[in-house]
Amino acid sequence: EAAVTQSPRNKVAVTGGKVTLSCNQTNNHNNMYWYRQDTGHGLRLIHYSYGAGSTEKGDIPDGYKASRPSQENFSLILELATPSQTSVYFCASGDPTGDYAEQFFGPGTRLTVL
Amino acid sequence: GDSVTQKEGLVTLTEGLPVMLNCTYQTIYSNAFLFWYVHYLNESPRLLLKSSTDNKRTEHQGFHATLHKSSSSFHLQKSSAQLSDSALYYCALRNNNAGAKLTFGGGTRLTVRP
Repeated sequence: EAAVTQSPRNKVAVTGGKVTLSCNQTNNHNNMYWYRQDTGHGLRLIHYSYGAGSTEKGDIPDGYKASRPSQENFSLILELATPSQTSVYFCASGDPTGDYAEQFFGPGTRLTVL
Repeated sequence: GDSVTQKEGLVTLTEGLPVMLNCTYQTIYSNAFLFWYVHYLNESPRLLLKSSTDNKRTEHQGFHATLHKSSSSFHLQKSSAQLSDSALYYCALRNNNAGAKLTFGGGTRLTVRP
């Protein structure tokens, strides 16, 4: 079965430190997405990508960068982590063709910034 | 831009009672695609239901929803709640003008008690 995996699953970082969250998908989907999940806000889109080498800003990109070096991998980078970035982060992949363009999610990464 | 509203953040009910989780949306585009994603504890969020057809009931795993474009609603229902239905439920919207991006509501946490 196709899958989206994330690493690490849990991360504790210090304020001002650099954090990289990694995502790998075996779905062969062109599109990949990074979301953060916060109570009351649902899933909010940070960055997304249409394919290797492309990154696009989502709805809340400030403080985050993204990198898509290959079809399979999509990273989220926090250059200077802040406590407000403490959250659960989900990666997803999706095939943009077809009407529904369903997204498939990874298991999430719980990030705590102290 | 697009928006999705789930007015109940928390719903607690007793096993065997009917479930109804509200979802309303706003978009200026007529080609709306609506989704319900379910997120069980310690699992990845996954698609539960989807629809783009006005006034047509869609069903999956005992849940059903009908897209009503006249009222911009896509409420999730189930006739009889089970303990295993306890989860976080997200309503999401996509339109063709947004590419393959989804707009999620704030989520409703459903707790079913014995």
